[in-house]
Amino acid sequence: NAGVTQTPKFQVLKTGQSMTLQCAQDMNHEYMSWYRQDPGMGLRLIHYSVGAGITDQGEVPNGYNVSRSTTEDFPLRLLSAAPSQTSVYFCASKDRVGAEKLFFGSGTQLSVL
Amino acid sequence: ILNVEQSPQSLHVQEGDSTNFTCSFPSSNFYALHWYRWETAKSPEALFVMTLNGDEKKKGRISATLNTKEGYSYLYIKGSQPEDSATYLCAFCLSGNTPLVFGKGTRLSVIA
Repeated sequence: NAGVTQTPKFQVLKTGQSMTLQCAQDMNHEYMSWYRQDPGMGLRLIHYSVGAGITDQGEVPNGYNVSRSTTEDFPLRLLSAAPSQTSVYFCASKDRVGAEKLFFGSGTQLSVL
Repeated sequence: ILNVEQSPQSLHVQEGDSTNFTCSFPSSNFYALHWYRWETAKSPEALFVMTLNGDEKKKGRISATLNTKEGYSYLYIKGSQPEDSATYLCAFCLSGNTPLVFGKGTRLSVIA
């Protein structure tokens, strides 16, 4: 059971480039989410999804797009990378029903130059 | 935006000391309170999920309590060990469909 798989682990981009951070889970979780972690800021929610075809914005959605075409996958797209998007990104999923714990991916360290 | 506050921000204790941290959250419309342990260079891992006022959970030397009426939860570590060094996060949610809102964490360092 792989859990939550995030790729890539590391990425360096130039300002203005676009890229997609991949997230996949094999636990049949309906709820998936993306957080970014910055020093002194804790985990801040970017986007989340409560099921296939449903997405919603979190606290810091600007500059990011998401889609949820399948239950398993929840990619995060940076349309035009900016230095302010340099961060560590975590994907997390949980069973929507009940007060279930979040399972986190291993994180993506992104640097935008 | 919901506000989840954790204190202290950081803590240094000697091996063998017991310690505790606080998580404060909005006391209205409560659904669940989570605690996560986050070691450096790893991903956060769940410790406890609590849903009922008065809940007490225990996992080895770590325990947590919950007061939903006044909006706080305590995490206790008995006899701290160097391997307990980590950031401890709490997170609050209003329902099963709403996202978890995390506090900024308490960074614990246990000195041998």
